[in-house]
Amino acid sequence: QVQLVESGGGVVQPGRSLRLSCAASGFTFSSHAMHWVRQAPGKGLEWVAVISDDVSHKYYADPVKGRFTISRDNPKNTLYLQMNSLRPEDTAVYYCARQLVRGQWYFDYWGQGTLVTVSS
Amino acid sequence: QLVLTQSPSASASLGASVKLTCTLSSGHNTYAIAWHQQQPQKGPRYLMKLNSDGSHSKGDGIPDRFSGSSSGAERYLTISSLQSEDEADYYCQTWGTGFVVFGGGTKLTVL
Repeated sequence: QVQLVESGGGVVQPGRSLRLSCAASGFTFSSHAMHWVRQAPGKGLEWVAVISDDVSHKYYADPVKGRFTISRDNPKNTLYLQMNSLRPEDTAVYYCARQLVRGQWYFDYWGQGTLVTVSS
Repeated sequence: QLVLTQSPSASASLGASVKLTCTLSSGHNTYAIAWHQQQPQKGPRYLMKLNSDGSHSKGDGIPDRFSGSSSGAERYLTISSLQSEDEADYYCQTWGTGFVVFGGGTKLTVL
């Protein structure tokens, strides 16, 4: 069965960096684009970034552009999110999500999330 | 600008039906959307992709109680025979070139 397991969250000071991981299993990871979506405490869902199946395309939401980098290691079935220059407003649960169909950016499987808290 | 609008809250009685609405912004009424459910303290769960013609494809294991329909810029999620576990937040989601948009979510209370 499809599984997505995020890790790497924690408490970090403003301006510091953190790298999140998402371990995928139960499907051919290299055949699917992957996304990061976040949810601030008590708020709705906010899309963060996407990376294509072959790593050739990456897109970012404006609030994280220039600070976050999405990447993937297909042989290791792992998705990453490198977060630099963190701000308090980046505090959220971060979810990885699988895109089902090439060219249609909707998600058919989600992870359970990892909490990132940016605070001094 | 591509925007999805949802009512913040809805309620219905156990065993009854409820219809949640997601409205696409002007000029975007041909867009497909996806519906996702988020139960308390859990990650989101994909329910279905819903096209502008009302055709939809559901996720693995989603009961027949969940169905979708469309009319113009409106996208609907109907849940019949409401159960206590249906109490959750429901989000609609769509996409443009290089970005994804979520609606603000509807909190469904099962009375």
